[in-house]
Amino acid sequence: NAGVTQTPKFRVLKTGQSMTLLCAQDMNHEYMYWYRQDPGMGLRLIHYSVGEGTTAKGEVPDGYNVSRLKKQNFLLGLESAAPSQTSVYFCASSYYEGETYEQYFGPGTRLTVT
Amino acid sequence: AQKITQTQPGMFVQEKEAVTLDCTYDTSDPSYGLFWYKQPSSGEMIFLIYQGSYDQQNATEGRYSLNFQKARKSANLVISASQLGDSAMYFCAMREGQGGTGRRALTFGSGTRLQVQP
Repeated sequence: NAGVTQTPKFRVLKTGQSMTLLCAQDMNHEYMYWYRQDPGMGLRLIHYSVGEGTTAKGEVPDGYNVSRLKKQNFLLGLESAAPSQTSVYFCASSYYEGETYEQYFGPGTRLTVT
Repeated sequence: AQKITQTQPGMFVQEKEAVTLDCTYDTSDPSYGLFWYKQPSSGEMIFLIYQGSYDQQNATEGRYSLNFQKARKSANLVISASQLGDSAMYFCAMREGQGGTGRRALTFGSGTRLQVQP
């Protein structure tokens, strides 16, 4: 049981390049999320998904796109990377039901855009 | 207005002593949940403790307890008997919305860096 995994762990991009971050979970969770964490700050929600085939915007969605074609995977795309997107990206997942649930986080992807 | 406020950017505590990390929140939703996460220097997010808005008692998990004062909208984390391994960033977070409704995402505070001194 791997929990939440993220690929890659590190990446350096040049301005204007594109890339896709992959998040995978093996806990059969309905909900999945992408957050970013800038230095000295808490996590901010980029996009989220409440089930296969659905996505929605969070607080900071500009410059990102997402897809959830399979329940276990949630992809985050950067079409034209900018230095402002230098950050650590966390994926998380959680159950649909129950009040006392936690979000399970992946290990993070450190992205640098030069 | 900030939904989650952590006013202590950094805290020091002596090993074996207790420490309280402050968190205040702002919501008009009657149903919400409050979480604390630990982020060590390695970067992963570790869930510590959860408090629901309707819970009558303060949550406890081992050395962690949550001092929940609903009227004051505060949810302070208390770590008893601090250990060197407790040195990390600590984030308070809130989920708004009830049951199966809402997106269930977390809103995070800016964190408190705790350093435990021997």
